[in-house]
Amino acid sequence: EVQLVESGGGLVQPGGSLRLSCAASGFMFSSYWMSWVRQAPGKGLEWVANVNQDEAEKHYVDSVKGRFTISRDNAKNSLYLQMNSLRAEDTAVYYCAREGDYGDLSWGQGTLVTVSS
Amino acid sequence: SYELTQPPSVSVSPGQTARITCSGDALPKQYAYWYQQKPGQAPVLVIYKDSERPSGIPERFSGSSSGTTVTLTISGVQAEDEADYYCQSADSSATYVVFGGGTKLTVL
Repeated sequence: EVQLVESGGGLVQPGGSLRLSCAASGFMFSSYWMSWVRQAPGKGLEWVANVNQDEAEKHYVDSVKGRFTISRDNAKNSLYLQMNSLRAEDTAVYYCAREGDYGDLSWGQGTLVTVSS
Repeated sequence: SYELTQPPSVSVSPGQTARITCSGDALPKQYAYWYQQKPGQAPVLVIYKDSERPSGIPERFSGSSSGTTVTLTISGVQAEDEADYYCQSADSSATYVVFGGGTKLTVL
């Protein structure tokens, strides 16, 4: 069974930084693309970034380019999202997701990031 | 940037059929996926590759595709189906993951 557990969320001031982590289990982590998806309070889902199996390919939504960095450690079965220069509009629940064999997403339970002074 | 368009809301009475559409220019080239999300919970996959149903998802959930529009159909809607539904796909080059804006299904 695919299990994804996010951590690292919390309250941060505008302009600050935060690093999210996602611990994966129940599947061969190194064989899959991985994504981060976020959901602002009361809003819809927004894909943030993804990374391929060996980090050779990384893609970002325009609104986070240059501020967020996705990475992974296959030896630790872990996915990361380094978030810098945070803005109020980055406030959201951040989900870690595995891009499955059929292109579908399997989700963690999410971690809340609040950007506020 | 590429967008998927869904109606903000759909309302049906119990036992009726609900249809939720999702439109996007790249849908003839890229598969679509549908997720159900209830308050406070992570999304759950209900349809993959346009029309395939994962194990454990009731048969009343089905998907179809025609040109630039994909449709999620829920036949014999039950009160427990009240939720937000999101379509997901990719741009034409399969570089970016894209979500529709979501549709709130209300069971009257």
